Amino acid sequence: NAGVTQTPKFQVLKTGQSMTLQCAQDMNHNSMYWYRQDPGMGLRLIYYSASEGTTDKGEVPNGYNVSRLNKREFSLRLESAAPSQTSVYFCASSEDWRGANYEQYFGPGTRLTVT
Amino acid sequence: GESVGLHLPTLSVQEGDNSIINCAYSNSASDYFIWYKQESGKGPQFIIDIRSNMDKRQGQRVTVLLNKTVKHLSLQIAATQPGDSAVYFCAEKRSEGGKLIFGQGTELSVKP
Repeated sequence: NAGVTQTPKFQVLKTGQSMTLQCAQDMNHNSMYWYRQDPGMGLRLIYYSASEGTTDKGEVPNGYNVSRLNKREFSLRLESAAPSQTSVYFCASSEDWRGANYEQYFGPGTRLTVT
Repeated sequence: GESVGLHLPTLSVQEGDNSIINCAYSNSASDYFIWYKQESGKGPQFIIDIRSNMDKRQGQRVTVLLNKTVKHLSLQIAATQPGDSAVYFCAEKRSEGGKLIFGQGTELSVKP
């Protein structure tokens, strides 16, 4: 039982390049989330998927797109990377959106640098 | 040792002392609160949670206190150990679903 896994762990991009961050969970959770974390700041929600087949914008969605590929996988895409997107990206999952358990389980993070 | 919410992002305590990390939340409609611990280079890990119908909840060496009157949450760590050194985040859930709003975080440093 690996929990939440993310790939890659590290990535360096040039401005304008594109890439996809992958996330998978093996806890049979319905809800999944993408956050970014900048130095000295808390986690800011980029996009979330309350259940398979749905996605919604969070606090900072501009410059990103997401795909909920199936119940296990939720990917984050940067179409044209900008230096302002240099950050650590965390994927998380939770049992349900409106259930009794709201605890979110986090992956180890992807450290992205855009030059 | 004690921190004062978002205005004091670092807290330094002696090993063996009790630590108190404070958090002010913003929305009186929030109905669920959670504390996470984040060690350097890792993702946040769940510590303890509390629902708005409770004032206090205890775990192993940790206690969370909720004061809804002043919208204040605190995490108490008993007999702080070097392994407790990390950044601690509080998060609140608004009533409209599972989205969590995270605070800035407080860095706890434990001196041996």
